[in-house]
Amino acid sequence: DVKVTQSSRYLVKRTGEKVFLECVQDMDHENMFWYRQDPGLGLRLIYFSYDVKMKEKGDIPEGYSVSREKKERFSLILESASTNQTSMYLCASSFTGGMNTEAFFGQGTRLTVV
Amino acid sequence: QQQVKQSPQSLIVQKGGISIINCAYENTAFDYFPWYQQFPGKGPALLIAIRPDVSEKKEGRFTISFNKSAKQFSLHIMDSQPGDSATYFCAASRVGSSNTGKLIFGQGTTLQVKP
Repeated sequence: DVKVTQSSRYLVKRTGEKVFLECVQDMDHENMFWYRQDPGLGLRLIYFSYDVKMKEKGDIPEGYSVSREKKERFSLILESASTNQTSMYLCASSFTGGMNTEAFFGQGTRLTVV
Repeated sequence: QQQVKQSPQSLIVQKGGISIINCAYENTAFDYFPWYQQFPGKGPALLIAIRPDVSEKKEGRFTISFNKSAKQFSLHIMDSQPGDSATYFCAASRVGSSNTGKLIFGQGTTLQVKP
């Protein structure tokens, strides 16, 4: 069974803290994504990576950075957490090429910044 | 920078009724249009997808209708069941020759099917 695993289901952090959200996939997918989910706004792409050490900004990259040192792992970093970054964060992965672009999602990390 | 617009935001349907969710996109380069289903506490999962070379795709009770000229597509759930209660997201992607699987999502629709 395919699997995308996010390291935490719930996190509470203080304003100004540096926060790491980790994601691991076991499907040997080239692509990995970080989305943010907020009510009424849907899923908004923060960053995606199409290969190790490669990344591209999504629609809302401000305040975030990412790291992909190994193919199976994609980390989202909040350099200095702020209350407006309180949200559900979803990691996803997919293959590159061909007609199959199905994205597989993790269960999400609900981050609260206080 | 929302390129995919989804409506309605919420929907309540009686058991056995038809649920209809609509999406519109702007970028004519999009060539892959999936729908994702999300249950509470879970990540979204692919439900059904369509490419613009067909106008309709059906899988069981779920049907996608696609109107390329209007840049619109919709999800129809026939004989809606309480187990269909979930949040539904439409999405669009450009597969083509530079497929990265980068999906642009709509705002989501929360569906409640009443028994």
